[in-house]
Amino acid sequence: DTGVSQDPRHKITKRGQNVTFRCDPISEHNRLYWYRQTLGQGPEFLTYFQNEAQLEKSRLLSDRFSAERPKGSFSTLEIQRTEQGDSAMYLCASSPPGATNEKLFFGSGTQLSVL
Amino acid sequence: SQQGEEDPQALSIQEGENATMNCSYKTSINNLQWYRQNSGRGLVHLILIRSNEREKHSGRLRVTLDTSKKSSSLLITASRAADTASYFCATVPNSGNTPLVFGKGTRLSVIA
Repeated sequence: DTGVSQDPRHKITKRGQNVTFRCDPISEHNRLYWYRQTLGQGPEFLTYFQNEAQLEKSRLLSDRFSAERPKGSFSTLEIQRTEQGDSAMYLCASSPPGATNEKLFFGSGTQLSVL
Repeated sequence: SQQGEEDPQALSIQEGENATMNCSYKTSINNLQWYRQNSGRGLVHLILIRSNEREKHSGRLRVTLDTSKKSSSLLITASRAADTASYFCATVPNSGNTPLVFGKGTRLSVIA
């Protein structure tokens, strides 16, 4: 069990640049979630996939954000024209079939700093 | 938005003491879960309690749920320095099919 893997661990970018993060879930997990966490707060839901279908998106996910899971395996989260308010930890999680919303397995996150 | 509200926001205790954290939530739930997060890392699932359960144990953890008060508590007994972390409650609304909603967390410091 290799766990949920996120890449990169840290990203520093300048305002206005585009960034892309990758998440590799645990192999047999069909659900994949993206959360965002700022300092001192709990994770806030962004979006989730069941296999390759994106089933729900939060209002937090502005049109500058896009997520994909093209083959139902890994996922990417892209932020276009980054703003300083996008600085946060971006967490990916996955869960197995038959245990929806009963236990999420989280990656270590990607820490984004927008200068 | 965050449904859960943990209390206290921060807690500092001596090793060997018990730590109690509380969580209140707003809407009816299917289940409630507790997660732990070490600084700068992802979250780790600790325990799940369903809406029809009142108490659950796992090792040194004890969780209670009071659906009439929309609240839960997490008790860590005989705390260790390694228990130092942030603890979050997360709820699944009654439909059961919407993603987990996390609270703001309690930062626990266990001093050796």
